[in-house]
Amino acid sequence: KAGVTQTPRYLIKTRGQQVTLSCSPISGHRSVSWYQQTPGQGLQFLFEYFSETQRNKGNFPGRFSGRQFSNSRSEMNVSTLELGDSALYLCASRPGKGGTDTQYFGPGTRLTVL
Amino acid sequence: KQEVTQIPAALSVPEGENLVLNCSFTDSAIYNLQWFRQDPGKGLTSLLLIQSSQREQTSGRLNASLDKSSGRSTLYIAASQPGDSATYLCAVKGSNDYKLSFGAGTTVTVRA
Repeated sequence: KAGVTQTPRYLIKTRGQQVTLSCSPISGHRSVSWYQQTPGQGLQFLFEYFSETQRNKGNFPGRFSGRQFSNSRSEMNVSTLELGDSALYLCASRPGKGGTDTQYFGPGTRLTVL
Repeated sequence: KQEVTQIPAALSVPEGENLVLNCSFTDSAIYNLQWFRQDPGKGLTSLLLIQSSQREQTSGRLNASLDKSSGRSTLYIAASQPGDSATYLCAVKGSNDYKLSFGAGTTVTVRA
């Protein structure tokens, strides 16, 4: 089975621009979560989607948004980019509802904001 | 708010030595606890998941224990190898909000 894939792997943007990141979960997985990883703050939860509905949200400003499609693929959007948004963005998938499932992570998208 | 702490932040051991990595959390209302491994510039690989009702999980050379009441988990890696060099992260899922809270990680170097 193919793992979680994320595109693009690397991205360079300038302040004020917006960016869209994509995540394809493992086949059959219906839950997708997004995380931001920075050297200063570590790994922080952004949001989780299940069956096209946002189930959970971390403490990030409204500039960070996401969505999930009927095939479980997910996109994350960041508008009005700031220098502090430079980070590794990780996507994780798991089979379904509940907290019992192991999370499987993708390789991440490295975003650099200049 | 759940706070997850991992001690030590870094560890260097000679090959063959056993590794002991510690994780502590402030809120005992957890659903499960998961240990991950991260190689430089890469995503996370799940190592072990312990449900809140369990005391330990084992996989090969890895063993993780959980003491929910004291807010602690320990990851043991037996007979370490250079390939075990990586950053190990502990993550706790809350039973109230189902959010995953991560520790800052322990960076392990196993010297050949």
